Amino acid sequence: AQSVTQLGSHVSVSEGALVLLRCNYSSSVPPYLFWYVQYPNQGLQLLLKYTSAATLVKGINGFEAEFKKSETSFHLTKPSAHMSDAAEYFCAVIPNTGNQFYFGTGTSLTVIP
Amino acid sequence: DGGITQSPKYLFRKEGQNVTLSCEQNLNHDAMYWYRQDPGQGLRLIYYSQIVNDFQKGDIAEGYSVSREKKESFPLTVTSAQKNPTAFYLCASSIGFSLDTQYFGPGTRLTVL
Repeated sequence: AQSVTQLGSHVSVSEGALVLLRCNYSSSVPPYLFWYVQYPNQGLQLLLKYTSAATLVKGINGFEAEFKKSETSFHLTKPSAHMSDAAEYFCAVIPNTGNQFYFGTGTSLTVIP
Repeated sequence: DGGITQSPKYLFRKEGQNVTLSCEQNLNHDAMYWYRQDPGQGLRLIYYSQIVNDFQKGDIAEGYSVSREKKESFPLTVTSAQKNPTAFYLCASSIGFSLDTQYFGPGTRLTVL
């Protein structure tokens, strides 16, 4: 079964520091991969997605993610954290056999002033 | 503006009562989905619909029911058979089913008193 793992349910960074949120998937075939952001009591907003084109994907709000097949990873990064980045982040995958989204358990990002 | 609306934002229910959550989209999407979100568990799929008058059970369908009589509407009923209904419920839609980005509504928080 396809699964996605987000390492670290809580991550804290200082304002201006690098943001790194980790996501690994289990699949022998590269799937479609997504990162979503959720602010408190709101729905999920798409940050970026990988669909087997360029391995480095740029998204909204300065975020980007790199697909690494050898590591089965799709980590989310941002060079400089802003207070407004504080939110819950979800990695999701659609296997290439593809009929369902599988979501990670989420990573809560705290930005320290 | 196109989007997905969910109502109400907050809902309180007494034990033993059925309650219906509304989800409407004007994106002309064929596929719609219902997820349940609990702290630390990510999103879990309740039901999905690929097309009008058709829907399928997801991973946690017990105690829930849906209908899809119109393309733009996909209401979810939480029945008294659902043992632990207190959660945040998210509706989503996509252009087609599988391999398509899902777009989310703002969510409904259901609390059973």
